[in-house]
Amino acid sequence: EDQVTQSPEALRLQEGESSSLNCSYTVSGLRGLFWYRQDPGKGPEFLFTLYSAGEEKEKERLKATLTKKESFLHITAPKPEDSATYLCAVEWGGNEKLTFGTGTRLTIIP
Amino acid sequence: DTAVSQTPKYLVTQMGNDKSIKCEQNLGHDTMYWYKQDSKKFLKIMFSYNNKELIINETVPNRFSPKSPDKAHLNLHINSLELGDSAVYFCASSPRTETRGGGYTFGSGTRLTVV
Repeated sequence: EDQVTQSPEALRLQEGESSSLNCSYTVSGLRGLFWYRQDPGKGPEFLFTLYSAGEEKEKERLKATLTKKESFLHITAPKPEDSATYLCAVEWGGNEKLTFGTGTRLTIIP
Repeated sequence: DTAVSQTPKYLVTQMGNDKSIKCEQNLGHDTMYWYKQDSKKFLKIMFSYNNKELIINETVPNRFSPKSPDKAHLNLHINSLELGDSAVYFCASSPRTETRGGGYTFGSGTRLTVV
């Protein structure tokens, strides 16, 4: 039973074409929802932590939002350097660990 | 100054061999982890240690044995390597729960290939 599901699996956008990535979760007692960026051959790089429904965080062209069932990562006017795999993860219940989704592979075409 | 460093970056070895991966963090974090990323890029936790104490052991074969000599180091030893152990192994660390707003910090990974 998947606890964290990301969609789409892959997304190709033209440079400047805004879009959103989805992360839905079914865990109980969410303690935090994390977004990471992973480039090929590298480790996940931290982007945001969201704690409660209604919370939003922004960094450059990225904005993350959280509801009681899902999170969105909005990418505004993306550039080729935004191409990467974006991972969503949750920390929940009494667990001090991250449970990851399968990621969205984002490609921005110049 | 690398925050979480792993060695080696690449490891190619034959089936049946024993190998170790080392990890060190200079962030002063309390908890360290080993994650495994499979060929489909799915990251799954294997172990966690808090101040040298094993906290999480996620049904990993007992051929995998983590060791934490101190709070800043977490090593992973694998006995009798199998083809299915081929993956990228990531070390990570995190601060205390109440200060986790900065997330978990990951190393750059060790790509293990068993032939």
